[in-house]
Amino acid sequence: AQSVAQPEDQVNVAEGNPLTVKCTYSVSGNPYLFWYVQYPNRGLQFLLKYITGDNLVKGSYGFEAEFNKSQTSFHLKKPSALVSDSALYFCAVTPNNFNKFYFGSGTKLNVKP
Amino acid sequence: ETGVTQSPTHLIKTRGQQVTLRCSSQSGHNTVSWYQQALGQGPQFIFQYYREEENGRGNFPPRFSGLQFPNYSSELNVNALELDDSALYLCASSWGQRNTEAFFGQGTRLTVV
Repeated sequence: AQSVAQPEDQVNVAEGNPLTVKCTYSVSGNPYLFWYVQYPNRGLQFLLKYITGDNLVKGSYGFEAEFNKSQTSFHLKKPSALVSDSALYFCAVTPNNFNKFYFGSGTKLNVKP
Repeated sequence: ETGVTQSPTHLIKTRGQQVTLRCSSQSGHNTVSWYQQALGQGPQFIFQYYREEENGRGNFPPRFSGLQFPNYSSELNVNALELDDSALYLCASSWGQRNTEAFFGQGTRLTVV
């Protein structure tokens, strides 16, 4: 069975500091891993994905994520947070034979000036 | 913006009624998936349409049904609405069944009273 866990409902960080949003997954077969961001009253916006290759994936708006197979984790990171990064972040996984996303419950990121 | 448009943006229905939500996929995309996002939760997969055929379904009852048209736009129909159907309904379009990236619309907020 496929599942995603985001252990933190909320992450608070000061502007300019590094941020990490955690994600662990369980999937049969090779994982396809994604991060999406959701702003209030909006749909989901794609940030980045891991399919294969380099474990460090770079995405939109300065975000990156590190795939760790042994820890089954795919944490989202950014070296320097912006107030405008405040939003709801979702980690998702798809099995490699079907484009169905399994989403985590989301982590609300609050970046304070 | 992703190029995926959903209508209407907001809708209020009475319990027992029927509703139709619409999605116009991004140009060149032939696959549409629908998700239900209840308040405070991650999106849950309802079903996917690929080239006008249903191509996978999540744990939703048969009163949730859909269509995909030759231009790859799609409808989600929900019969006999229940209060728990109140949610944000998201449409995602992609190219192919195994595409690794999906583009989401802004969603339709359905409230059942």
